[in-house]
Amino acid sequence: SQKIEQNSEALNIQEGKTATLTCNYTNYSPAYLQWYRQDPGRGPVFLLLIRENEKEKRKERLKVTFDTTLKQSLFHITASQPADSATYLCALDATNAGKSTFGDGTTLTVKP
Amino acid sequence: DVKVTQSSRYLVKRTGEKVFLECVQDMDHENMFWYRQDPGLGLRLIYFSYDVKMKEKGDIPEGYSVSREKKERFSLILESASTNQTSMYLCASRRSLAGITGELFFGEGSRLTVL
Repeated sequence: SQKIEQNSEALNIQEGKTATLTCNYTNYSPAYLQWYRQDPGRGPVFLLLIRENEKEKRKERLKVTFDTTLKQSLFHITASQPADSATYLCALDATNAGKSTFGDGTTLTVKP
Repeated sequence: DVKVTQSSRYLVKRTGEKVFLECVQDMDHENMFWYRQDPGLGLRLIYFSYDVKMKEKGDIPEGYSVSREKKERFSLILESASTNQTSMYLCASRRSLAGITGELFFGEGSRLTVL
């Protein structure tokens, strides 16, 4: 069956370090993969989208990689700040599916 | 900025009541979605719609129905609310251009409690 797994429910790191979050999937042929940020009690907010033929995407302190051989995406936040504390969700869109399927999310806490 | 507005942030209903959750987007998006979010289960797709009067079942449609009479509005209906439908409901929309889709824009969510 199709499955999307994010590496852990919670990740705690020190301010200034790089946070790395993992999204693994099985039994998908993804057209593209997205990362969202969600704060408590709020709706998710889009961060980055990477297509199946792209290896890496960057936006300010954020970097996403996509390895379709390993069936994995890595999401990096460099020089992390306490304001980066939130839950991060990955979402897959399979080819011609027309819908996004989400992982359970990883809650990141950046300590000062 | 794209705005997706959900009619109620918090609702409390009784078992057996009919519940309407309304969602309106202001950017002329073709695609609209209803998800529910529960601790440990993530976001699960209930229904989605490609265009006016079109609807598709998601992964957990049982106990729900939807209506899309106008492009900007997508309603989720619980015909007879049950306690296991207590959840956070999230509406989302996105543009679809020649089959190419992209980022989702979410509303702030409607937290429904069924007693």
